[in-house]
Amino acid sequence: GAVVSQHPSWVICKSGTSVKIECRSLDFQATTMFWYRQFPKQSLMLMATSNEGSKATYEQGVEKDKFLINHASLTLSTLTVTSAHPEDSSFYICSARGNLEDHNEQFFGPGTRLTVL
Amino acid sequence: AQKVTQAQTEISVVEKEDVTLDCVYETRDTTYYLFWYKQPPSGELVFLIRRNSFDEQNEISGRYSWNFQKSTSSFNFTITASQVVDSAVYFCALSGSGTYKYIFGTGTRLKVLA
Repeated sequence: GAVVSQHPSWVICKSGTSVKIECRSLDFQATTMFWYRQFPKQSLMLMATSNEGSKATYEQGVEKDKFLINHASLTLSTLTVTSAHPEDSSFYICSARGNLEDHNEQFFGPGTRLTVL
Repeated sequence: AQKVTQAQTEISVVEKEDVTLDCVYETRDTTYYLFWYKQPPSGELVFLIRRNSFDEQNEISGRYSWNFQKSTSSFNFTITASQVVDSAVYFCALSGSGTYKYIFGTGTRLKVLA
């Protein structure tokens, strides 16, 4: 149980275009989802936390107008990278936690590798 | 403020050697959770263990063992008789009570040579 999927697994786009990444909890309801970014050979950095039905909370330094997060249902959150530039190329990972979790565990998706040309 | 330090950036060992990955954390919370994850070259995080702050028992799972010591704020991970398949980046993470956020360490890249 507790499976999280991401789509697409990789994407290549041209500079200036927007890219949408989906994160789905397949077998549980995710009240909270998290989006991370990981540059090569670096750690995971939390970008934002989203709760179903409310606005996402962004970490300091993350541009909310550039990284649009929608958590419209208990099983789906989307991250849209708007007007992508080469410096946005990274590995994006989502995670989710359910409403019955009482020990803070997050379940991670497999990640999406974004390359902006 | 919460912080996780993995001082070892990269470790190389020869197959069958034992290796310990260090993790030191900082938090003011009395209730918190510690995690270890493995990230192979594919990128997907693999959950290894979760430990809460009230459970200081060491744990062994096959070739893996964990040593949690609150007195030194450490949660170290040992792989016994390492194998080439253990080659990966290993992350230690901390989550405080009520926030659910993870604070990740910088990771330790383990290379096991045949």
